[in-house]
Amino acid sequence: DAKTTQPNSMESNEEEPVHLPCNHSTISGTDYIHWYRQLPSQGPEYVIHGLTSNVNNRMASLAIAEDRKSSTLILHRATLRDAAVYYCILRDPGGGADGLTFGKGTHLIIQP
Amino acid sequence: NAGVTQTPKFQVLKTGQSMTLQCAQDMNHEYMSWYRQDPGMGLRLIHYSVGAGITDQGEVPNGYNVSRSTTEDFPLRLLSAAPSQTSVYFCASSYSRAGGLGYTFGSGTRLTVV
Repeated sequence: DAKTTQPNSMESNEEEPVHLPCNHSTISGTDYIHWYRQLPSQGPEYVIHGLTSNVNNRMASLAIAEDRKSSTLILHRATLRDAAVYYCILRDPGGGADGLTFGKGTHLIIQP
Repeated sequence: NAGVTQTPKFQVLKTGQSMTLQCAQDMNHEYMSWYRQDPGMGLRLIHYSVGAGITDQGEVPNGYNVSRSTTEDFPLRLLSAAPSQTSVYFCASSYSRAGGLGYTFGSGTRLTVV
């Protein structure tokens, strides 16, 4: 699976939008972009995924660059419960290594 | 509540002891997997299963065994625990191997080997 690059940490204020960037310049045409988050002392939690088009769900939005070499996870109104490590992961459903390849992710800090 | 259940939540073993980490899911997921997470690191895949009776190795399989006799259960066995196996272990399941609908993770087992 191709590699992703994320900032080590980001800080934001409660009730403000948060934009979490991810670079994946070597993404292949069949790689899906997945986002997971891990709250303290818990297992990872699926957030959202997409291929080419922007995606929205109840948790977040995923904005994918036109060339697909980068993407941004958008939390529209952060709460203290959103403080977590966010992982951007590429996954080719048709091949490549099995499972999810987790990097170190972005540690999101939310200030009250 | 539907999801992935892991037991025990905490365990301390002495070097050389054996134990089984339990994982059960009630979502009728075909795909199940085990990960370990070391401090400050991302998760690494140990073993996985695409259905009952079928298992395969992941990135870090040495020192671990698995079996899948039912769709619901996927236990992870440590045959002879070593301090290097001190870690947090997560079980995950998914509707399919591709994980297109997302993987559901358990809350983890924190294992310390002394």
